[in-house]
Amino acid sequence: KQEVTQIPAALSVPEGENLVLNCSFTDSAIYNLQWFRQDPGKGLTSLLLIQSSQREQTSGRLNASLDKSSGRSTLYIAASQPGDSATYLCAAISYNTDKLIFGTGTRLQVFP
Amino acid sequence: ETGVTQSPTHLIKTRGQQVTLRCSSQSGHNTVSWYQQALGQGPQFIFQYYREEENGRGNFPPRFSGLQFPNYSSELNVNALELDDSALYLCASSLGAGPGTEAFFGQGTRLTVV
Repeated sequence: KQEVTQIPAALSVPEGENLVLNCSFTDSAIYNLQWFRQDPGKGLTSLLLIQSSQREQTSGRLNASLDKSSGRSTLYIAASQPGDSATYLCAAISYNTDKLIFGTGTRLQVFP
Repeated sequence: ETGVTQSPTHLIKTRGQQVTLRCSSQSGHNTVSWYQQALGQGPQFIFQYYREEENGRGNFPPRFSGLQFPNYSSELNVNALELDDSALYLCASSLGAGPGTEAFFGQGTRLTVV
């Protein structure tokens, strides 16, 4: 059974810092891994999708990596801004299912 | 912003009542999945519909049911509401039901059961 864990649960950093959010999964037979952003009380915005054959994906200041052998993915945010404040969720899809299994998220606050 | 729309945005119901939540999928998408997100938790998979048929179900009781229509829009119905059903309900649409497809989420419906 796939389980997804995110560390840390919460993070508060000053503007301009580079930061790393971590996501661990127990079943390495994943098909892809997706990172989402969620603003308070809102839906999910897809940030990056990494397929199992890929090692990383980049979009602007965001870079996500995937290491299936160690069961880890990281989301790197460069030069953080107050507008990056949100909860970041990772979700894995295993080969034997087509449902997203989510972590509990990392709540990020970037202060000016 | 995605093309997935959900209605209503907020809803208050009394314990024991029934509720219907609606989702319009993104244009061209034939698959809709529903998730429940309790406060402070990650979303939990309820079920998925692909071309009007249920295509997978999570660990939710039968009082959670759904439909998908020919235009691929979908409904989530919950009977005999309980206090623990209070949550954000999220709908996601995708093109195809396979594991490689990217899911796009709507803004959610906040359900409060009192």
